Amino acid sequence: GQNIDQPTEMTATEGAIVQINCTYQTSGFNGLFWYQQHAGEAPTFLSYNVLDGLEEKGRFSSFLSRSKGYSYLLLKELQMKDSASYLCAISGGSYIPTFGRGTSLIVHP
Amino acid sequence: GAVVSQHPSRVICKSGTSVKIECRSLDFQATTMFWYRQFPKKSLMLMATSNEGSKATYEQGVEKDKFLINHASLTLSTLTVTSAHPEDSSFYICSASRASGINEQFFGPGTRLTVL
Repeated sequence: GQNIDQPTEMTATEGAIVQINCTYQTSGFNGLFWYQQHAGEAPTFLSYNVLDGLEEKGRFSSFLSRSKGYSYLLLKELQMKDSASYLCAISGGSYIPTFGRGTSLIVHP
Repeated sequence: GAVVSQHPSRVICKSGTSVKIECRSLDFQATTMFWYRQFPKKSLMLMATSNEGSKATYEQGVEKDKFLINHASLTLSTLTVTSAHPEDSSFYICSASRASGINEQFFGPGTRLTVL
């Protein structure tokens, strides 16, 4: 089976940096996704990590440590529009992602 | 590229009626399509996986006779909620993958179902 844990809610200030952590246990591992989901909308793809290390894509970066079962999503220069839910998802042996419960990020002025 | 549409975006129906939701991949062929439901402030719960031309694979606890899935072509999958009840009210989201094994999923905009 798979178990994914991420904080329920985080708050941050506009212009700041925030790190959203995700820890997981899984019997098979192919990769880890991060998705952004605004309220009432479908998730949008942010990143997919297969190998250990940090991958940077503009203001967003994602880190993976397979040995520790740990990932984080780093958001820099926060904007109000970054207020959303951030979903960590694990692709296991079946290649079908399993989603965590998501972290609701609130960005305030 | 990789756009997925869903129709309708919102539907309100009476208890006991059936509702069909369509999911289309507009600019690519989707080998695999997924159906999720999401309750408020909860994560996506995978309901079933469907491959074109074959029967859907349902997750444990999901009634296949209640949630009928048809994946008749590489660009269309449908989910029919049969004899809907208020507890079926939820946000239903489909996603499509271009090929099995390469698992970036492209999500549709979702369908908000309200059963009165």
